Amino acid sequence: KAGVTQTPRYLIKTRGQQVTLSCSPISGHRSVSWYQQTPGQGLQFLFEYFSETQRNKGNFPGRFSGRQFSNSRSEMNVSTLELGDSALYLCASSSYMAPLAGTGDREKLFFGSGTQLSVL
Amino acid sequence: DAKTTQPPSMDCAEGRAANLPCNHSTISGNEYVYWYRQIHSQGPQYIIHGLKNNETNEMASLIITEDRKSSTLILPHATLRDTAVYYCIVAEGGFQGAQKLVFGQGTRLTINP
Repeated sequence: KAGVTQTPRYLIKTRGQQVTLSCSPISGHRSVSWYQQTPGQGLQFLFEYFSETQRNKGNFPGRFSGRQFSNSRSEMNVSTLELGDSALYLCASSSYMAPLAGTGDREKLFFGSGTQLSVL
Repeated sequence: DAKTTQPPSMDCAEGRAANLPCNHSTISGNEYVYWYRQIHSQGPQYIIHGLKNNETNEMASLIITEDRKSSTLILPHATLRDTAVYYCIVAEGGFQGAQKLVFGQGTRLTINP
């Protein structure tokens, strides 16, 4: 089956603009998580959505927001872009339907290839 | 902050076993050890995870010490395609814990021909 799809693959914006990134999870996966990756800070958790509700949130300012639709697709938005927002934004999906904790796909994250955002 | 300590880089000859160590001395009873890897220009890929027993799957083996303060990921027959950054992560067990992973700097593993 198809993997996690993120669009666009590359994006160039200028300071002060806003941007929306899209993520389509693996078919049947109901949880979508977002991560930011920079050379200095590495991979950092942004937030996680499950059944259209944000369930977990990382330590990022309110300029970073997201949402999830009824078909599990997710978008994240960054408003008032800053130079430091330049990063690879990764989306990951996982299944909630595996039978037991500690087994199966339930606790595996499947990542997309990311959207490379450059802020000029 | 990441709860794990890994060597920044390692080398291994193709065809040999690659043993990647990880220290997690502050791990608590309900926390699992997860391993992911990231090949250049791709998103991280799940490898394996475990609580206290050794685990094996088609990709690798995970050996966790009895006191759970350290673990070793073993790639039994490394190939050039195993060159990647390997992340050892400690996170709460269960569905929610697995979503909000705290990645450290990882180990850059280079497989040499």
